[in-house]
Amino acid sequence: GQQVMQIPQYQHVQEGEDFTTYCNSSTTLSNIQWYKQRPGGHPVFLIQLVKSGEVKKQKRLTFQFGEAKKNSSLHITATQTTDVGTYFCAGRNTGTASKLTFGTGTRLQVTL
Amino acid sequence: NAGVTQTPKFQVLKTGQSMTLQCAQDMNHNSMYWYRQDPGMGLRLIYYSASEGTTDKGEVPNGYNVSRLNKREFSLRLESAAPSQTSVYFCASSPPLGHFYEQYFGPGTRLTVT
Repeated sequence: GQQVMQIPQYQHVQEGEDFTTYCNSSTTLSNIQWYKQRPGGHPVFLIQLVKSGEVKKQKRLTFQFGEAKKNSSLHITATQTTDVGTYFCAGRNTGTASKLTFGTGTRLQVTL
Repeated sequence: NAGVTQTPKFQVLKTGQSMTLQCAQDMNHNSMYWYRQDPGMGLRLIYYSASEGTTDKGEVPNGYNVSRLNKREFSLRLESAAPSQTSVYFCASSPPLGHFYEQYFGPGTRLTVT
């Protein structure tokens, strides 16, 4: 079955440093979504990428979808303590429109 | 709008006991999902319902059953709980195709099986 892996599993940064998490799928995806889960909370949708090579920005967050539509990345510039949480990518295959396969997640800790 | 609601928030079961986790959404979404979340494993799909009247197995369906009672409600039943089912369970829903099709999650049920 489809597998979606994320690296790193955990990263600890000082506030103001940059952070990147990488997402890799074993199969080609029709689109990919990113979610954020705060400690003790539930996942919350951040963004969806659909096109090969697509890049989207949300303030300090930059999302990329690979040319082959098998990988994606999330980059946070100048992290803040409010960025703490676990970031998940979730991929959808063509023909399985209802289902998402979630990545293993990257937990981000930010300290002053 | 309450969004996606789940009951109970916490539950402790003994091995072999049964229980039903309830989920409801008030966003008129077609699709609903049940996930479990374990440390280091991400979110794994247990069952989903693409539309009212249909249910399908996800990645980890063994030991669980579901019922799509109506468009709003999707329940998850553990017939004979096992310690391996200790986890956090999330229900989610998503709007019809043509939108972003993002998933909206409930607050979760933290289940411990002793």
